[in-house]
Amino acid sequence: GENVEQHPSTLSVQEGDSAVIKCTYSDSASNYFPWYKQELGKRPQLIIDIRSNVGEKKDQRIAVTLNKTAKHFSLHITETQPEDSAVYFCAASKNNDMRFGAGTRLTVKP
Amino acid sequence: ETGVTQTPRHLVMGMTNKKSLKCEQHLGHNAMYWYKQSAKKPLELMFVYSLEERVENNSVPSRFSPECPNSSHLFLHLHTLQPEDSALYLCASSQGQGFLEQYFGPGTRLTVT
Repeated sequence: GENVEQHPSTLSVQEGDSAVIKCTYSDSASNYFPWYKQELGKRPQLIIDIRSNVGEKKDQRIAVTLNKTAKHFSLHITETQPEDSAVYFCAASKNNDMRFGAGTRLTVKP
Repeated sequence: ETGVTQTPRHLVMGMTNKKSLKCEQHLGHNAMYWYKQSAKKPLELMFVYSLEERVENNSVPSRFSPECPNSSHLFLHLHTLQPEDSALYLCASSQGQGFLEQYFGPGTRLTVT
């Protein structure tokens, strides 16, 4: 089955700096790659997603890149703010299955 | 609350009890999902319903039994659970199968004693 690895598990940056979180997947048939943000005690929220026919997608300060050949995708957050502090999860899906990474706890220090 | 709601928000049950978790979505979606979120483990997909039809997930123990009476409601029936089943159970919905733009509920925090 699919296996999704996510790194780093924790990330601390200074406000205004960029943050990058990386994920790799094992099943080349995976075709949809969402990223979720989960604040403490709250539900996961979709922040950006990318499909396998696209290499990059951007939404304001957030961008995701996908390298299908290498089977890895990354989340990029620019100009980080304290409210970006949360746990971020990547996921890879195909058909009726979705697998998640273990999560990255991002802390943005003011 | 709009979007996806879940009840109860917290549940403590003994190993011999039978209880049910309820999820309701107000988004007009036609696919619904159950997930388990345990500490220090990745989020795990348990069940998928698309157009009220269940997609089998063989890795989920039979002590968890889902039910989807219509496209707006999803239940998870629990019986003879184990302490390791203690977790946050999240419901989600999306328009169309394939997990696209899933919207999660707030979850039910389950403790099995």
